[in-house]
Amino acid sequence: DTGVSQDPRHKITKRGQNVTFRCDPISEHNRLYWYRQTLGQGPEFLTYFQNEAQLEKSRLLSDRFSAERPKGSFSTLEIQRTEQGDSAMYLCASSAQGFTDEQYFGPGTRLTVT
Amino acid sequence: KQEVTQIPAALSVPEGENLVLNCSFTDSAIYNLQWFRQDPGKGLTSLLLIQSSQREQTSGRLNASLDKSSGRSTLYIAASQPGDSATYLCAVRHNYGQNFVFGPGTRLSVLP
Repeated sequence: DTGVSQDPRHKITKRGQNVTFRCDPISEHNRLYWYRQTLGQGPEFLTYFQNEAQLEKSRLLSDRFSAERPKGSFSTLEIQRTEQGDSAMYLCASSAQGFTDEQYFGPGTRLTVT
Repeated sequence: KQEVTQIPAALSVPEGENLVLNCSFTDSAIYNLQWFRQDPGKGLTSLLLIQSSQREQTSGRLNASLDKSSGRSTLYIAASQPGDSATYLCAVRHNYGQNFVFGPGTRLSVLP
């Protein structure tokens, strides 16, 4: 098992464009999380899936953001009409439902909106 | 609303020193607390996870303690090495949700 993977690792886009990020969790993990991290801050929770169901969404997840996990495996996070304030590191994590529910993080996708 | 703070914000020590990083949280109704390490521009690496019923966890030179009633956790690093230089984040998961609330991190520099 190679851990949580994210693609792309870096994305530069112009303001107003749409972007989509992908996360592949650890294969036996049924829970998947998206976080956003800006420079010098800790990550902030965006949304959480259990299998294919999106069970929690933060108020940070505006109408321009949408996340899916269609078959309970990989997940995508789409940002429509990007703004400069969307520039951040987008982190994905996964965990196996159980006593510890320990979260394992991917390397992140760094988004720069120009 | 859960708030997590970490002190100090930055720390610079000579190699070989023992050090303590502090994490405080406002709501003691937590499920667990996890310490992470983050290298510049990278993702997070899990160091230690402490369940709410536990008092401490150890892994190699690292020891994390939890005092839920006072809303505090400490990460103790023994015999620090230059390779320990990174940002250390604590994250708290509360009983009524699945997501973590992260602190802002402590940026550690270990000088050779």
